[in-house]
Amino acid sequence: DTAVSQTPKYLVTQMGNDKSIKCEQNLGHDTMYWYKQDSKKFLKIMFSYNNKELIINETVPNRFSPKSPDKAHLNLHINSLELGDSAVYFCASSQDAGDTQYFGPGTRLTVL
Amino acid sequence: QKEVEQDPGPLSVPEGAIVSLNCTYSNSAFQYFMWYRQYSRKGPELLMYTYSSGNKEDGRFTAQVDKSSKYISLFIRDSQPSDSATYLCAMIGKGFQKLVFGTGTRLLVSP
Repeated sequence: DTAVSQTPKYLVTQMGNDKSIKCEQNLGHDTMYWYKQDSKKFLKIMFSYNNKELIINETVPNRFSPKSPDKAHLNLHINSLELGDSAVYFCASSQDAGDTQYFGPGTRLTVL
Repeated sequence: QKEVEQDPGPLSVPEGAIVSLNCTYSNSAFQYFMWYRQYSRKGPELLMYTYSSGNKEDGRFTAQVDKSSKYISLFIRDSQPSDSATYLCAMIGKGFQKLVFGTGTRLLVSP
């Protein structure tokens, strides 16, 4: 019974393509996050939504656009993919902003 | 200077050793401290959560917080090969909206 799930698990695509990653949580949490983890394992927050409202928007290229259709879902759409976008993207959720976060299994994005 | 500093390792120890993992931080507003464990190709999982200065124990794991020194530690007793993973510290202040993570320390426990 997965708490935070992401699809797809792996994504290999060409430069310039547009792709989406989906995240769902069944914990009843109000806040969801997207993180990027680079090859050096550093976790960098990208976005956070609380009750479908964007509350954190770090310095991220506007090619990245999050969408939260409801509290349980947070999707990430990436336009015009670049080589530097290759990383593992993690979704996380917490009861409220600032609470303990629970992470999904990650989506490994490779841009060729 | 980064807000949270953590030695990336790798830290290699033999099975059964006591492991000490550490983070230092610069923001005195941080009040809540967490340790996450991340196995290769998996998401981080919460291991320990502490609030105040002092020690918190959970099985073989002990989390220690020294707010006066802005220093937190995670001790692992009787380390096992299954403890081999990357350990990330994370912290947040009251009213803050986002966790600040360390870079993670890679731990290797050899049989």
